[in-house]
Amino acid sequence: GQQLNQSPQSMFIQEGEDVSMNCTSSSIFNTWLWYKQDPGEGPVLLIALYKAGELTSNGRLTAQFGITRKDSFLNISASIPSDVGIYFCAGLLNYGGATNKLIFGTGTLLAVQP
Amino acid sequence: GAGVSQSPSNKVTEKGKDVELRCDPISGHTALYWYRQSLGQGLEFLIYFQGNSAPDKSGLPSDRFSAERTGGSVSTLTIQRTQQEDSAVYLCASSSRWTSGRSEQYFGPGTRLTVT
Repeated sequence: GQQLNQSPQSMFIQEGEDVSMNCTSSSIFNTWLWYKQDPGEGPVLLIALYKAGELTSNGRLTAQFGITRKDSFLNISASIPSDVGIYFCAGLLNYGGATNKLIFGTGTLLAVQP
Repeated sequence: GAGVSQSPSNKVTEKGKDVELRCDPISGHTALYWYRQSLGQGLEFLIYFQGNSAPDKSGLPSDRFSAERTGGSVSTLTIQRTQQEDSAVYLCASSSRWTSGRSEQYFGPGTRLTVT
């Protein structure tokens, strides 16, 4: 199935470091979402972005909706051990109407060394 | 409030058998989605239900896959004549009706299907 290009594929960092990951697409999206998934769990929504250029924060997390509507990034500041997990970006292919499906990125595995 | 629930949490079945996976969406959510996540992969869209509208089945990988949503709430994903490549985690999500250009999908814990 269709997937977004997400990078990096994995990151191994020290506690306290800042983290940045991004997603790019050849298609335009109207909405970008960032999710975190822990082992054995479903993805949990972190941040939702609805306008090109929008910059939104949720605690130590900051995400931006690219101006071209074809990319988005997620930053995590001052990482802590519980930030460990897989982070996925997702673009909403259409909104309203007959379809409303998310296209997911390939995921970024984050490991935080205490 | 209660989130999206799915059952069973794990299912092991023999190749060729049929399986049914259940999803209970968040109360009041009119949209329901099924996704599949293969080992180490992102999520792949399968099917989308919105109210009484015809479902978007464009992601179903073969005619062995089907889904129903009864009474606009609970949904069942059925896989007939299971194959080993069907082994994956099947995730359900729900969202409220699209308003003001916003729609956020909330996921259940998934059902891990293993076909032996």
